[in-house]
Amino acid sequence: QVHLVQSGAEIKKPGASVKISCKTSGYTFTNYFIHWVRQAPGQGLEWMGFINPSNGEKVYTQRFQGRLTMARDTSTSTVYMDLSSLTSDDTALYYCAKDVGGSSIAVAANSWGQGTLVTVSS
Amino acid sequence: DIVMTQSPDSLAVSLGERATINCKSSQNLFYSKYNQNYLAWYQHKAGQPPKLILHWASTRESGVPDRFSGSGSGTDFTLTISSLQAEDVAVYYCQQYFGTPQTFGRGTKVEIK
Repeated sequence: QVHLVQSGAEIKKPGASVKISCKTSGYTFTNYFIHWVRQAPGQGLEWMGFINPSNGEKVYTQRFQGRLTMARDTSTSTVYMDLSSLTSDDTALYYCAKDVGGSSIAVAANSWGQGTLVTVSS
Repeated sequence: DIVMTQSPDSLAVSLGERATINCKSSQNLFYSKYNQNYLAWYQHKAGQPPKLILHWASTRESGVPDRFSGSGSGTDFTLTISSLQAEDVAVYYCQQYFGTPQTFGRGTKVEIK
């Protein structure tokens, strides 16, 4: 059974960075892209980017360029998302999610982590 | 970026009645080489992560009841719940994966009338 387990809630000050982990199990880690999606309070879903665990290729949404970093550790089947220069606008629930697969491109996400709440406040 | 426009923002439907959600894309999501529309639908219930219910516009995920169906092609798509059940109360999002960044609609809240 596929599982994605994320690290716990974080409280950060403006200007700080946050690093969230997403430990996967139940499938071949390198065969499926991992997406990151966030949801700010009262808002909809926002796709942030994805990483290909096989080769480390990353694609980020332009608006996060320069402050978003994704990485993977194939030895532990874990993906990491690091967001720097945090502002109050980054307060959100962050999800990692496994791609459906079966394609050479990132498609949709059919297995999700439980979400990690990041609160940015002075 | 491809803009996804959903309508309505919310709808209230009686139990057992049909619910229809529309999603319009600012660009064509049909890739003729693979004969597929690069569109997904998610169900998001409060306190839970989103759940993928359809991708390739009309391919239902394993375990999703057949009262959920997707239709449309190109720029206009529809999610239909043929007979609304109490457990279907949620926010529904369409998402395109034709282009990067992937983008979501703003969501449609479905409630029981």
